[in-house]
Amino acid sequence: EVQLVESGGGLVQPGGSLRLSCAASGFTFSSYRMNWVRQAPGKGLEWVSSITSSSSTTYYADSVKGRFTISRDNAKNSLSLQMNSLRAEDTAVYYCTRDYGSGDHSDYWGQGTLVTVSS
Amino acid sequence: SYELTQRLSVSVALGQTATITCGGTNIGTKHVHWYQQKPGQTPVVVIYRDFNRPSGIPERLSGSNSGNTATLTISRVQAGDEADYYCQVWDINTVVFGGGTKLTVL
Repeated sequence: EVQLVESGGGLVQPGGSLRLSCAASGFTFSSYRMNWVRQAPGKGLEWVSSITSSSSTTYYADSVKGRFTISRDNAKNSLSLQMNSLRAEDTAVYYCTRDYGSGDHSDYWGQGTLVTVSS
Repeated sequence: SYELTQRLSVSVALGQTATITCGGTNIGTKHVHWYQQKPGQTPVVVIYRDFNRPSGIPERLSGSNSGNTATLTISRVQAGDEADYYCQVWDINTVVFGGGTKLTVL
């Protein structure tokens, strides 16, 4: 059974940093592109970042470029998102998702982890 | 950057057909995916690559895509179909979501 379990969310002050993790199981992690998608309270879905299966290429939304860094450890079946210079507008539930195929839809989603940026 | 436009809300009577649209420039040249999100739950893909249904998704849900509009159609709407629906495409190595449509079943 495919499982994606996020962790690392919490309350952080504006300008602070946080590192999110996603533990993957039930599939060959190293074969799939992975994504982070977020959803602010009461709002829609917003793509944050993607990373190819071998980590050769990363992609970012303009809203987080230069502040967030996506990475993965295929030996540990783990996906990460380092978030720096956090802003109030980064407050959201962050989902880890698996790409069905490269540049395709997200066929599996984690339950999400809440990040709250507030003083 | 590429944009997808969805109506904020759609209302439909129980048992009728709901049509949820997603507009984008030449969207017919892209693969469109649709997600359903019920309150307090994680999004679930209900249509991928324009018209394909994942296993477990009823045939009542169907998709099409042409020109500047992609459409998710839900036939014989049930109370359990009440949810937010999001369309999604890939555009130049970025993922783009529509703003979402709230489906209300009357």
